[in-house]
Amino acid sequence: GEDVEQSLFLSVREGDSSVINCTYTDSSSTYLYWYKQEPGAGLQLLTYIFSNMDMKQDQRLTVLLNKKDKHLSLRIADTQTGDSAIYFCAEASRGGGNKLTFGTGTQLKVEL
Amino acid sequence: GAVVSQHPSWVICKSGTSVKIECRSLDFQATTMFWYRQFPKQSLMLMATSNEGSKATYEQGVEKDKFLINHASLTLSTLTVTSAHPEDSSFYICSASPSDITDTQYFGPGTRLTVL
Repeated sequence: GEDVEQSLFLSVREGDSSVINCTYTDSSSTYLYWYKQEPGAGLQLLTYIFSNMDMKQDQRLTVLLNKKDKHLSLRIADTQTGDSAIYFCAEASRGGGNKLTFGTGTQLKVEL
Repeated sequence: GAVVSQHPSWVICKSGTSVKIECRSLDFQATTMFWYRQFPKQSLMLMATSNEGSKATYEQGVEKDKFLINHASLTLSTLTVTSAHPEDSSFYICSASPSDITDTQYFGPGTRLTVL
């Protein structure tokens, strides 16, 4: 089946940029998503990118997609303490009936 | 807009009892809802896809008689964990896809189930 991998943990200082990486195996992915999960809460959709795009920017968030390498990244500029959370990438594949396959999640810790 | 609620947010029950979890789309209609399970410090695992007016589609390894899903209206899906056991303790999260924007899923806040 599809496999989506992320590094487990990232620590940055407040004000720095954070880059969270994700690799996936399904070459038929149509949309790729980034979700944020705070402790004990559900998932908040941050942004998404269509598979024929290379980059998408939304305020402090920049998504880069390298379809050839099946690599997705999320860059958070000027990271704040409120950005501390777990970040999941997810992919939806063509013919998957809108089912999402989630990555393992990256815990982002922002230090003062 | 696009708010999904779950009820209850936290439930503790005795082993052998059944627990019902509700998932509601508050300001949109959702033909399709999804149920996920999340163990501590792990990712979300899709359990089943719930379609309004038809039987749910379960993922491999998920017992449909154990996890009963009913999607009776365009704004409500329920997950019933029957004869719950301690190994069923987990964080259950639902999501809903708007009927007119099927590529997007909005997630509920989750329900923490603890079975004693």
